[in-house]
Amino acid sequence: GAGVSQTPSNKVTEKGKYVELRCDPISGHTALYWYRQSLGQGPEFLIYFQGTGAADDSGLPNDRFFAVRPEGSVSTLKIQRTERGDSAVYLCASSLVTGGTDTQYFGPGTRLTVL
Amino acid sequence: ILNVEQSPQSLHVQEGDSTNFTCSFPSSNFYALHWYRWETAKSPEALFVMTLNGDEKKKGRISATLNTKEGYSYLYIKGSQPEDSATYLCASAPRQLTFGSGTQLTVLP
Repeated sequence: GAGVSQTPSNKVTEKGKYVELRCDPISGHTALYWYRQSLGQGPEFLIYFQGTGAADDSGLPNDRFFAVRPEGSVSTLKIQRTERGDSAVYLCASSLVTGGTDTQYFGPGTRLTVL
Repeated sequence: ILNVEQSPQSLHVQEGDSTNFTCSFPSSNFYALHWYRWETAKSPEALFVMTLNGDEKKKGRISATLNTKEGYSYLYIKGSQPEDSATYLCASAPRQLTFGSGTQLTVLP
């Protein structure tokens, strides 16, 4: 079956611009997670959704970052007024249910470069 | 241990060698430990989810052990092949994953 997909695969933007990153989870997965990986580090948690609602957004670095999942499937991560420090690989993952023992399946990521 | 830590940071081995690396995690309030393999330009691939102290899991030539009391897990690769070259990540749960920085393995032919 289809795995988690993310678009675009690469995004280059200028400082101050707005960007949207999209995630299509595995069909039927109720939990969806966003992570960010900066160079030389492991992925860092940003936000997770259970259904349509953001169950935990404690990892979002500031109010320039926002994510939605209006119909409980596709999610969009939105970054306003991008800064060079936002450059990273943004990963999306989904799991059947919410819980630490459930495998999270990852997409290939979106590499964001802010010039 | 306050964070998830992995060692070594990088590792080069010859084809056919066996190798292992370490993941250390907070032992208090342990819930689950995940291992992933991440090849360049691909999605991170789930290897194992481990929950029980003393647990050992195996997938082909890769195996992992878990010690929740002392807060560490080992990943072993037997008879490394060039296609095993990847970054191996561990992560602790309760829900969202807290990742280590990974061990970058290069298997030389």
